[in-house]
Amino acid sequence: AQKVTQAQTEISVVEKEDVTLDCVYETRDTTYYLFWYKQPPSGELVFLIRRNSFDEQNEISGRYSWNFQKSTSSFNFTITASQVVDSAVYFCALSDLSAGNKLTFGGGTRVLVKP
Amino acid sequence: KAGVTQTPRYLIKTRGQQVTLSCSPISGHRSVSWYQQTPGQGLQFLFEYFSETQRNKGNFPGRFSGRQFSNSRSEMNVSTLELGDSALYLCASSLAAGGGVNTEAFFGQGTRLTVV
Repeated sequence: AQKVTQAQTEISVVEKEDVTLDCVYETRDTTYYLFWYKQPPSGELVFLIRRNSFDEQNEISGRYSWNFQKSTSSFNFTITASQVVDSAVYFCALSDLSAGNKLTFGGGTRVLVKP
Repeated sequence: KAGVTQTPRYLIKTRGQQVTLSCSPISGHRSVSWYQQTPGQGLQFLFEYFSETQRNKGNFPGRFSGRQFSNSRSEMNVSTLELGDSALYLCASSLAAGGGVNTEAFFGQGTRLTVV
């Protein structure tokens, strides 16, 4: 069975601080996809990144970076030099071949960036 | 191009009533999935439709149903509403059926359903 755990429920930082969101996943499949989504107060889930299980390269996109480690089943997300606009709930999600497009989400981490 | 459109954005219904929510996917996307988001249970998968066929179903009672039309637009229906059905219902569209590289899902803003 698939499972995604985001142990941090809420993180509060001051603007310009770095913040790292943890994500640990469980799956029996060897082929799977990991995602991060951002949910601002407006409600829609905004896609941030997708990684497949065969690509362990870390990725950087602007102030966002992701660290994928299969050995520890983790896919962590770091926001560098946080800004107030980064305040949102962030979800990690997993999809494997057997699940099709079904996403299994973690519980989410609320990030509050204070000016 | 236009994103995923969900209507209505807000809805208030009474216990026992039924409700229909609509989702128009991104043009060219043929897969539509539905999710329920509540404070207690988080984001949970309801079902996925592709080419008018239900491909996958989550663990929800039969009161929750859906369908997809030939233009890929989808509706979900909840009958005999209960207070616990109050939630944000999110629709996601994907280019193709899952399992491959086209599993990137784009979400709408959701329909917030309140059952009183």
